[in-house]
Amino acid sequence: DAGVIQSPRHEVTEMGQEVTLRCKPISGHDYLFWYRQTMMRGLELLIYFNNNVPIDDSGMPEDRFSAKMPNASFSTLKIQPSEPRDSAVYFCASSFGGGQPQHFGDGTRLSIL
Amino acid sequence: QKEVEQDPGPLSVPEGAIVSLNCTYSNSAFQYFMWYRQYSRKGPELLMYTYSSGNKEDGRFTAQVDKSSKYISLFIRDSQPSDSATYLCAMNVGAGKSTFGDGTTLTVKP
Repeated sequence: DAGVIQSPRHEVTEMGQEVTLRCKPISGHDYLFWYRQTMMRGLELLIYFNNNVPIDDSGMPEDRFSAKMPNASFSTLKIQPSEPRDSAVYFCASSFGGGQPQHFGDGTRLSIL
Repeated sequence: QKEVEQDPGPLSVPEGAIVSLNCTYSNSAFQYFMWYRQYSRKGPELLMYTYSSGNKEDGRFTAQVDKSSKYISLFIRDSQPSDSATYLCAMNVGAGKSTFGDGTTLTVKP
């Protein structure tokens, strides 16, 4: 079975540019989560969706961050404009049911110069 | 104070040792408890998933939950170099999001 698929795996871009991260959850999963992981702050939940509807975006750091889930098989996390402090590994995860174990993708390693 | 506190580590043990990884939590509503293993440059992968207080065993791994003390542990027996990774505890109330610990990095030396 295909797991959670994230793209790109690596992204290096200059400050001020728009960055779009993509995620394909496991088929049939109704929850999708976006996380950011850094050495200093660990794994931080940014936003999560249930049945394509955003439920909790309180972890989104500021208005430069936005996330969408246009259908059950695709989600994007966008940063515009990007800043060096956004450099981190961004993970997408999905689960079948709330509270159930989440399955993670291998992340997007983002570097903003 | 964080809802979930995880022993920070890092831990370094010789091959064959028994490893104990621990988390405490403050939210008594947490019902489901998980341990994830994360290898370098990979996403966390589910290792153990438990609901009730007590022990759950899977091969060399044992997850222990003590709801009265708000304390969970993961024991690894006969540790192997391939167990070298970061271990994250996570828990939730049975709906929505999970709360993760900050992780403990384990190194098992041959």
